[in-house]
Amino acid sequence: GAVVSQHPSWVICKSGTSVKIECRSLDFQATTMFWYRQFPKQSLMLMATSNEGSKATYEQGVEKDKFLINHASLTLSTLTVTSAHPEDSSFYICSAGTVLYSNQPQHFGDGTRLSIL
Amino acid sequence: SQQGEEDPQALSIQEGENATMNCSYKTSINNLQWYRQNSGRGLVHLILIRSNEREKHSGRLRVTLDTSKKSSSLLITASRAADTASYFCATDRYNNDMRFGAGTRLTVKP
Repeated sequence: GAVVSQHPSWVICKSGTSVKIECRSLDFQATTMFWYRQFPKQSLMLMATSNEGSKATYEQGVEKDKFLINHASLTLSTLTVTSAHPEDSSFYICSAGTVLYSNQPQHFGDGTRLSIL
Repeated sequence: SQQGEEDPQALSIQEGENATMNCSYKTSINNLQWYRQNSGRGLVHLILIRSNEREKHSGRLRVTLDTSKKSSSLLITASRAADTASYFCATDRYNNDMRFGAGTRLTVKP
């Protein structure tokens, strides 16, 4: 089945640091990638939808200047948490899909646990 | 924003028993999907049921969909300790715009 690789799996860094998370689709071309945030024992909250070659669409309440998303190719999307603070600590998960095929499941990465000290 | 709600929020059963989880949603959908998440990991796709389907099976999993009630259920038969995980329903409205429910944490005791 389709594989999505997310890297790194765990990041611990100091407050004020910017952190970049990569999401790669390894065996298919992902026209759309999604970034989610998940707090402990809670559901996934969609942060933004990233379409290759265009600007990401952010959900209400998500700061686009805080969470920079780039989807430069059909196999790679990146999420950069700029000037991270402790409240940004969370589990971030990406998924990839293609609008070429309707009624197909998304494929998820294994997530990145971000801890800001 | 969240689309669906699952109940129960938590379910604890003995190995061999069946586990039933329910999901309700609010808007019209293209399809509904169930995912499983082990602690601290990504999501694994279990079943996708289209809006014109009423029931679907995959191994020990059975999913039903009632679009008139905007609800779905996931049944896991003959549960195993390895089924312990969180289970989420997700509604796909269009162009893979998916919204997840709050999830059910299932514990299967050996």
